[in-house]
Amino acid sequence: QKEVEQDPGPLSVPEGAIVSLNCTYSNSAFQYFMWYRQYSRKGPELLMYTYSSGNKEDGRFTAQVDKSSKYISLFIRDSQPSDSATYLCAMSANTGRRALTFGSGTRLQVQP
Amino acid sequence: ETGVTQTPRHLVMGMTNKKSLKCEQHLGHNAMYWYKQSAKKPLELMFVYNFKEQTENNSVPSRFSPECPNSSHLFLHLHTLQPEDSALYLCASSPRGGTSTDTQYFGPGTRLTVL
Repeated sequence: QKEVEQDPGPLSVPEGAIVSLNCTYSNSAFQYFMWYRQYSRKGPELLMYTYSSGNKEDGRFTAQVDKSSKYISLFIRDSQPSDSATYLCAMSANTGRRALTFGSGTRLQVQP
Repeated sequence: ETGVTQTPRHLVMGMTNKKSLKCEQHLGHNAMYWYKQSAKKPLELMFVYNFKEQTENNSVPSRFSPECPNSSHLFLHLHTLQPEDSALYLCASSPRGGTSTDTQYFGPGTRLTVL
């Protein structure tokens, strides 16, 4: 079993739709949770960062962490064609090995 | 130049060639990383350098040899690679390294093809 599972997609939605991207994980030591966005032929860029459980909102983006279910989500409201990219979840622990563990990424296509 | 730059952007090499990938960060960071990104697989951390010292080698084959002459530059020397080494190689940097809250900034990557 992979440490972090992420549906690879592709996920295709019409412009304006609400998008839900998800990751599950198995390591209960993970405390820090991130979402990266990667456009084609570019490196990943940090989109959202949360610590432990709860919600965090930034403009059209909301990150949710449910540590009891080992499940994290990224919601995109009013999706735009410019949101078309691969979204990678990443997480790390507070102790021991602190390197980031990434999901395999979900490819999102927002159709105009 | 700003951020993290990588050269070359594309590289095609034979299995007997020797080549090097270069990464430079203009952010004043102290930690630098090499990752391998293969299709439909998670990013694989290869090496971590913190203040020029290697702090992590994630069981990477010896045909990949990193070099970090200073906190701004990172190289990945390649020799006798295999076709399965074809991937996108990403460099990243972060302010401190070794902490869970350290944000990593990625370069655009080098697309490597081994024939």
